Amino acid sequence: DIVLTQSPDSLAVSLGERATINCQSSQSVFYRSDTKHYLAWFQQKPGQPPKLLINWAYTREFGVPERFSGSGSGTHFTLTISSLQAEDVAVYYCHQYHSSPCSFGQGTRLEI
Amino acid sequence: QARLVQSGAEVKKPGASVKVSCKASGYTFSSFGLSWVRQTPGQGLEWMGWISDYTRIPTYVQKFQDRITMTADESTSTAYLDLRGLTSDDTAVYFCARGGPGEILGLDVWGQGTAVNVSS
Repeated sequence: DIVLTQSPDSLAVSLGERATINCQSSQSVFYRSDTKHYLAWFQQKPGQPPKLLINWAYTREFGVPERFSGSGSGTHFTLTISSLQAEDVAVYYCHQYHSSPCSFGQGTRLEI
Repeated sequence: QARLVQSGAEVKKPGASVKVSCKASGYTFSSFGLSWVRQTPGQGLEWMGWISDYTRIPTYVQKFQDRITMTADESTSTAYLDLRGLTSDDTAVYFCARGGPGEILGLDVWGQGTAVNVSS
């Protein structure tokens, strides 16, 4: 089973500053058939379902602000928020759907 | 636009069963798998398993293997999660999500969640 470990568990960043969340995978999530990393990032606010922000490690979903970006390859991935806004307060999860069982990181709580 | 709408909150006694539904609209239901994810109070996300596209073969996480059933009714574009032998540890919000392992779009559409409270 693929284990995802996020760091840090929580993070406090000032408005307008950069926030960086890391995700380490125990195995590669690279899908050779379409040369993509099956690694996604979700944002979850209280009382809401997770919202998909980034797919294939670095492709922003339609409508997601440009301040959100994903990077990485192999087994290390990063979500960066370039200029933190108040509405970005949430818990962020990385997720692999490369192989069963799918798995999530433990989450990173982002605060102002 | 693709949408998943789940059934309402449930309160169950220990040992009982719960069946949660997830109705899809806005896309071709059979073309995508359907995963179930749960979130216990104050905790993270736990993938429980999925039913594949087209053939609807279920795959369950081992910890639930003995007491879970995932099905799909193509005629109504509705997926179901059946969880038996409930304990207080099953108190959680249960989400359905379009997609699953190896599906290129990942878990891109989510239901609103169904709260299940197991209490004597």
